[in-house]
Amino acid sequence: QLVLTQSPSASASLGASVKLTCTLSSGHTNYAIAWHQQQPEKGPRYLMKLNTDGSHSKGDGIPDRFSGSSSGAERYLTISSLQSEDEADYYCQTWGTGIQVFGGGTKLTVL
Amino acid sequence: QVQLVESGGGVVQPGRSLRLSCAASGFTFNNYAMHWVRQAPGKGLEWVAIISHDGTDKEYADSVKGRFTISRDNSKNTLFLQISSLRGEDTAVYYCARDREMATHFDYWGQGTLVTVSS
Repeated sequence: QLVLTQSPSASASLGASVKLTCTLSSGHTNYAIAWHQQQPEKGPRYLMKLNTDGSHSKGDGIPDRFSGSSSGAERYLTISSLQSEDEADYYCQTWGTGIQVFGGGTKLTVL
Repeated sequence: QVQLVESGGGVVQPGRSLRLSCAASGFTFNNYAMHWVRQAPGKGLEWVAIISHDGTDKEYADSVKGRFTISRDNSKNTLFLQISSLRGEDTAVYYCARDREMATHFDYWGQGTLVTVSS
């Protein structure tokens, strides 16, 4: 079964960096994913597509502070120089034949 | 710029039907597959359905098969979601989203429309 696992919460200080993790289920470790950001009371926003080899393509207007990387079943989203507006829920998402799957989301708090 | 604007939500009694709309602009609508995604209050995102660029192919999440129907009118740049036999667990914000490539991921989202199922 295609499943994405994310930690429910993370926190980091203003100006620091944070690395969020999304783990693909066994048997699906070569899948690409996408990262989406959802700020409070807003619709989601596409950040990037992240491939197995760590290459990624970002959405329109996404700052260079957002980057992605991969290692085995893990897919990462790194946000550097954290700003207050980065406080949001972050969802990873992947796809299979006829289905789309979301991780449970990570709530990022900027201290 | 790409814009997706949902409408049609509201408070609906259990068992009734509702049709949601998503007006698209800023891109060539009939070149893209489109999705509906929902989010129950305080919960995560749940994919609902996808429709191909020309409307011929459709897929649904198991949780909504048989009750939800996705459709589109390319002449009006509009996506629809018909929901029948509404249940309490259908209470959610419903988002439309554009498919970036070949039924993979979403690259633009609307702001959502809230559906509340309540007697």
